[in-house]
Amino acid sequence: AQSVTQPDIHITVSEGASLELRCNYSYGATPYLFWYVQSPGQGLQLLLKYFSGDTLVQGIKGFEAEFKRSQSSFNLRKPSVHWSDAAEYFCAVGMDSSYKLIFGSGTRLLVRP
Amino acid sequence: EAQVTQNPRYLITVTGKKLTVTCSQNMNHEYMSWYRQDPGLGLRQIYYSMNVEVTDKGDVPEGYKVSRKEKRNFPLILESPSPNQTSLYFCASRRTGGNQPQHFGDGTRLSIL
Repeated sequence: AQSVTQPDIHITVSEGASLELRCNYSYGATPYLFWYVQSPGQGLQLLLKYFSGDTLVQGIKGFEAEFKRSQSSFNLRKPSVHWSDAAEYFCAVGMDSSYKLIFGSGTRLLVRP
Repeated sequence: EAQVTQNPRYLITVTGKKLTVTCSQNMNHEYMSWYRQDPGLGLRQIYYSMNVEVTDKGDVPEGYKVSRKEKRNFPLILESPSPNQTSLYFCASRRTGGNQPQHFGDGTRLSIL
């Protein structure tokens, strides 16, 4: 069965430090991969997506993610975190064969001043 | 402005009292979906609709109903709410195609006493 794993429930980083949020998926074919961010009291906002081509994708707010087929991973990175990046981040996998979007359980990012 | 609008944003009600959460999108999207978000579980799909008059169950459909009589609207109906349906609910829409990102509403927080 298809699944998405975000192994880190919480991550705390200092403002200005680099960030990497992990995402692993289980799916037989090449999936469509998404990262969403949820600020408190808000819906989910798309950060970036990958479905083909260059495996390093750029998103909004200075985020990027790299698709590694051999590791079934799609980790999200940012070189320098800002206090406004504190939020919950969700990795999601979509499949063309169905209309389902499977979400990971989320990683809550805390930013130290 | 392109958006997905949910109402109400917050609702406290009692067991067994029928309620409806409305969802409307102004992007002419074919696909709409309902999710519930619970701590540690990420988002789980309740129902989805690929177009008008076409709906199907997601992963957690028990206790919920939906309808899709118009393209823009996709209400979620709880005929006899129970406390285990206390959750944060999100409506989403997208264009046809697994690589299309979903656009989310701001969420509805339901408390069933």
